[in-house]
Parts: sequence; C-alpha cells; structure tokens
Amino acid sequence: SQKIEQNSEALNIQEGKTATLTCNYTNYSPAYLQWYRQDPGRGPVFLLLIRENEKEKRKERLKVTFDTTLKQSLFHITASQPADSATYLCALLYYGGSQGNLIFGKGTKLSVKP
Amino acid sequence: KAGVTQTPRYLIKTRGQQVTLSCSPISGHRSVSWYQQTPGQGLQFLFEYFSETQRNKGNFPGRFSGRQFSNSRSEMNVSTLELGDSALYLCASSLGQGVSTGELFFGEGSRLTVL
Repeated sequence: SQKIEQNSEALNIQEGKTATLTCNYTNYSPAYLQWYRQDPGRGPVFLLLIRENEKEKRKERLKVTFDTTLKQSLFHITASQPADSATYLCALLYYGGSQGNLIFGKGTKLSVKP
Repeated sequence: KAGVTQTPRYLIKTRGQQVTLSCSPISGHRSVSWYQQTPGQGLQFLFEYFSETQRNKGNFPGRFSGRQFSNSRSEMNVSTLELGDSALYLCASSLGQGVSTGELFFGEGSRLTVL
C-alpha cells in the first residue's frame, strides 16, 4: 500500500533562517503532492500543490520541490518568522484503480524562535 | 464567501452512544470529504461525497457512516462509540468532483471526546 512519511516530528529554527521540511513516499508515483499548514485547534489550510511532472513551485516565501526519483518532496520557508510556527502536513494523491486516494503525513511541527 | 462550517465544535459522549456531526461546504462546492485526526495516526480519510453519492471510502469500520444532502451539506455518524473514536473530525470541501481535483478547504473540525 502507499505510504507517506514526514521525517521529522518537530523542527526548531532561528528566525530569518530557511526551514526545510521533508516528505517521503513509497510505491506509486503520486499524481500530485500538496502541503498544508495547521495551527492548533484549527483545520489545515492549503499552501501549495505540485504535480508529478513539475520539479518546483513557488509562492512568496514558500517553495516546494518534487523528486520522483528520490520519491521525495521538500518544502522550504525562506526568511522564516515566528508567525510561521505551525504544523505542516504533506498529502499525496495516488490512483489505486479508478479512484483517487488522498493520504496525509503525520506532520512536522515547526517552531521559529525570535 | 463563508468557509466550511462544522457543528458542533466540541462534544463529549460516553461509550456506546452515537454521534452525528454536520458540515456545510463552501457555497458552490459539491464535494465533501471527511477525515479523522488523532495524535497517533494523523489525518485519516473517512469518506467522500459528491452529488449525494459516496465516491470513496477509507478503511474504517461500518460504525462510521455519512451522507450528503441535495444542498451539498453533509453529515457523518458514528454509532456505538468507543474510547478510540476520540478525535478531531474534519470536513473538507472542494470545487470539482472530489479529493482528486486539487485544493481542499477544511473546516475547523468537531472535537469529539468519548468517556
């Protein structure tokens, strides 16, 4: 079965540095990967989507890469700020049969210290 | 435009009871999916509805069920509650026919505690 792993449960970095979060998957190549941000007690908020034929996507201070050879997506936040502190979830869509299946990683809790 | 609305936000039940959670999607969204989130298992897919039809179902027992109404609002029901059902239940809506069409818009969730 398809599995997805976010390597770090927690990541602590200093304000101004670049945070890099990792998402690895096994088996099928996903149709796309998504990244969400979740604050405590709130629902996840969509950030970025990258498709299997794309290498990189950017949005303001956010950048996502997708390496189908390594079966890995990296999520970068440049010039990080304390307000970026949250849990970040990756999700991948793969097709098992005719249905699209969306599975989530358990998340990486990012803490940005001033 | 109003976001996804889930009610109730918090509820406490005892083992053996049943619970119904409600989700109103963003206006114009016809696809609704439900997820269970726990610290140990993360976010797990329960089921997905489009145009009142269940399109996909996750690996949960039959005690978990759902439905969607003609106005796209959705409900999920858990019968014979167990302690392990304590979780944050999240609903998401999307523009299109389901989770495969891209961005999901999540509600704030319903926090269920089973005693």
